[in-house]
Amino acid sequence: GESVGLHLPTLSVQEGDNSIINCAYSNSASDYFIWYKQESGKGPQFIIDIRSNMDKRQGQRVTVLLNKTVKHLSLQIAATQPGDSAVYFCAETITGFQKLVFGTGTRLLVSP
Amino acid sequence: ETGVTQTPRHLVMGMTNKKSLKCEQHLGHNAMYWYKQSAKKPLELMFVYNFKEQTENNSVPSRFSPECPNSSHLFLHLHTLQPEDSALYLCASSQATDGHNEQFFGPGTRLTVL
Repeated sequence: GESVGLHLPTLSVQEGDNSIINCAYSNSASDYFIWYKQESGKGPQFIIDIRSNMDKRQGQRVTVLLNKTVKHLSLQIAATQPGDSAVYFCAETITGFQKLVFGTGTRLLVSP
Repeated sequence: ETGVTQTPRHLVMGMTNKKSLKCEQHLGHNAMYWYKQSAKKPLELMFVYNFKEQTENNSVPSRFSPECPNSSHLFLHLHTLQPEDSALYLCASSQATDGHNEQFFGPGTRLTVL
């Protein structure tokens, strides 16, 4: 029979809206987290990172929030644009270890 | 566009073929990685090389054979693959010693096994 593909949660927003993408991480020992963006036909691209000694970090139009109590990360994108349409992955690791553990990803669809 | 390049971008091969994927990084990094991205699973780490030495093999079948001749080049040799090996194979690099482990990815090779 046909294999079932990985079901990606999808967030659909209108251009100009703010987007919030969530991620639950698995290892309470993880102390470094990265958000990646993957556009169709491309490899993942680094967006923003955060260390566990912070609970918020801001970049250009993006903010990452970290809640270690519930092992939750979020990525906020302000004034979302059609070019933001992509799959977004969170990744966790422990400083000094090279193994990044990726989440399943969220597909962001931005309508003009 | 990116400091990590991969060739070929697309590859179709039969189960009895032997082929190789190539990755090159122009970032001066000393760690390189192979990942598999399929429709059925999240991004999976396959191999890690630090300073040309393999430091991680994530239980990858022997039909996948990596080679790292220097810190800038990484190959993945493929032989007697199965249709379920069809996936996007991504190469990444990082600075192994900085502790941050920010990895930079190439565009991937889309592999189809018939």
